[in-house]
Amino acid sequence: QKEVEQNSGPLSVPEGAIASLNCTYSDRVSQSFFWYRQYSGKSPELIMSIYSNGDKEDGRFTAQLNKASQYVSLLIRDSQPSDSATYLCAVKQAGTALIFGKGTTLSVSS
Amino acid sequence: DVKVTQSSRYLVKRTGEKVFLECVQDMDHENMFWYRQDPGLGLRLIYFSYDVKMKEKGDIPEGYSVSREKKERFSLILESASTNQTSMYLCASSLGAGNQPQHFGDGTRLSIL
Repeated sequence: QKEVEQNSGPLSVPEGAIASLNCTYSDRVSQSFFWYRQYSGKSPELIMSIYSNGDKEDGRFTAQLNKASQYVSLLIRDSQPSDSATYLCAVKQAGTALIFGKGTTLSVSS
Repeated sequence: DVKVTQSSRYLVKRTGEKVFLECVQDMDHENMFWYRQDPGLGLRLIYFSYDVKMKEKGDIPEGYSVSREKKERFSLILESASTNQTSMYLCASSLGAGNQPQHFGDGTRLSIL
């Protein structure tokens, strides 16, 4: 059974802090990795994609991938109350649909 | 920007009814997907399609069918709606080649009474 695991949270951080969200996956042949943000009652929105080991930065967001350890993480710098949402990790193997984790709920307090 | 449009944001139907959920994308994407999302269970794949008239079962296809007569449109059909099919339904699409992300529609919150 191919699995993507996330801590459900809630993860609570104060405004301005760094939020760190983690995800592990079971299938070693996974090729691409995505982070989606989902506000309550809304649909998932793609915020980051990463395909090779290392870090990828986009504004306040940094995705980190370690294929040897089979984990991918998302760092949010200078967290804002508007970042409060559920963050979904998604993993893709060749020729298949994405496999989603159940998500981590982030709460940023002002 | 990718636009995935689902026909209804909210829908209320009765048990036993045949229910159609429609999804249209405007980016010429080959792949289209239907998910349902329930609290504590996350996103679960119902059906997906890699081409016109082609369909593949996902993790929970029972009680559902799909239709893809045109590349831009993917329909989910509840053959005889039951109360346990009350859920948020999400449609997504992606390009066929390579490791492309999926883009989601706004979702349809379906209630079966």
